[in-house]
Formats: sequence, structure tokens, C-alpha cells
Amino acid sequence: GNSVTQMEGPVTLSEEAFLTINCTYTATGYPSLFWYVQYPGEGLQLLLKATKADDKGSNKGFEATYRKETTSFHLEKGSVQVSDSAVYFCALGIQGAQKLVFGQGTRLTINP
Amino acid sequence: GAVVSQHPSRVICKSGTSVKIECRSLDFQATTMFWYRQFPKKSLMLMATSNEGSKATYEQGVEKDKFLINHASLTLSTLTVTSAHPEDSSFYICSASSSGGPTDTQYFGPGTRLTVL
Repeated sequence: GNSVTQMEGPVTLSEEAFLTINCTYTATGYPSLFWYVQYPGEGLQLLLKATKADDKGSNKGFEATYRKETTSFHLEKGSVQVSDSAVYFCALGIQGAQKLVFGQGTRLTINP
Repeated sequence: GAVVSQHPSRVICKSGTSVKIECRSLDFQATTMFWYRQFPKKSLMLMATSNEGSKATYEQGVEKDKFLINHASLTLSTLTVTSAHPEDSSFYICSASSSGGPTDTQYFGPGTRLTVL
């Protein structure tokens, strides 16, 4: 079946620290991969995506590379800010984004 | 672009009443809309998928008679929780996609928090 496993949270970092949130997946076929972010009290926002192996998605200083050989899509940012505090969801999409399967979410808190 | 709105953002109702939640795509035509339920500190659970003008496809374990979905136009879908009970209290989120192609993306609404007393 299709599933996504994310690094368990919560994750707490200091401002300007390096961030990695691990995400691995199992899927039949060739899914698209997504990272969504949910700020407090808001809905999910698409952060970045990759549609095929070796693609790198990037946005707002975040990036993730679709690694087929390790079935991973780890989220990274070189220097986090307080405003990055949110819950991050990794997801895989079947037939593009026609059916999304989400990981359990990772709560990130950045302290000044 | 790609904005999805939901109304209301919060609703409190008495047990036994029905509640309707609207989901609108504001600047694009949504061929497909999705309804999710999010439990506290948990991930999103897909409830159903609806295509404009067609009956919704419900995920296993979701009662179609309790969670009525209507996708009347390319910009509007509604979820009606019928005869709501306290266990239906949750955060309901809709999303929409435009073309259904391999590079398509789902855009999410801000969610509706339902509290059933």
C-alpha cells in the first residue's frame, strides 16, 4: 500500500539553526511528493513539491529532493526563523495530486 | 492565485442538528474537491472525493449518509454533517485541484472547526 512516515516531533531549534525533517514513503507506482505547512490556526499551504525522481522542490529557503533509491523526501532549511514555527506534513500523491496520503506531521518550534 | 475558502471557520451546534460547511475555489475552477478530517495533533484523514456534477466517492469507514457532499459547480462544494453528535467534533478541511493531471496540486482551505455540544 501507500504510506508516509515522518520524523516524530516535536522539534525545537534555535533561530538560524539547520533544519532537517525526515520523510520516507512506500508506494506502488511513481508518486508525486509534497511538503505542506500548517501555521497555527490556519489550513495547509503547499510548501514545495517534486513530481519525479531526482527533482528538487524549493520555496522560502526550504528544499527537498525526491530520492527514489532511498524512497525519501527529506525537508531541509539552512537557517530557520521564528516565523517557520508550524506543523509540517509530508505527503505523496497518486496520479499527481488526485489522492494524497499524509504523514503524521511534525511540529516545529523555533526559539529566538 | 489558487485560493480556497471555507465557511464558516467555526461552528458550534447542538447534538442532533445538521451543519453545512461550504468550500469555494476563488480564482480557479476545481474539477475535483476533497474533504478531510483532522483530529487534534493527528494527520489529515481523507473522507471523500467529489467531482463536479458527480456523486462523491467516500473512503472506507466514512458514512455517506452522515456526511453528505454536494459538488454543484466548479467552484463550490458543500459538506453537510447530518444529525451531528459530539464525536463528530473535529477540524474539517477541504481542498481543490484543477486539472487532475500528473502535475496537479491540491490547494487547501483554512478549515472549519466544528464543535457539537
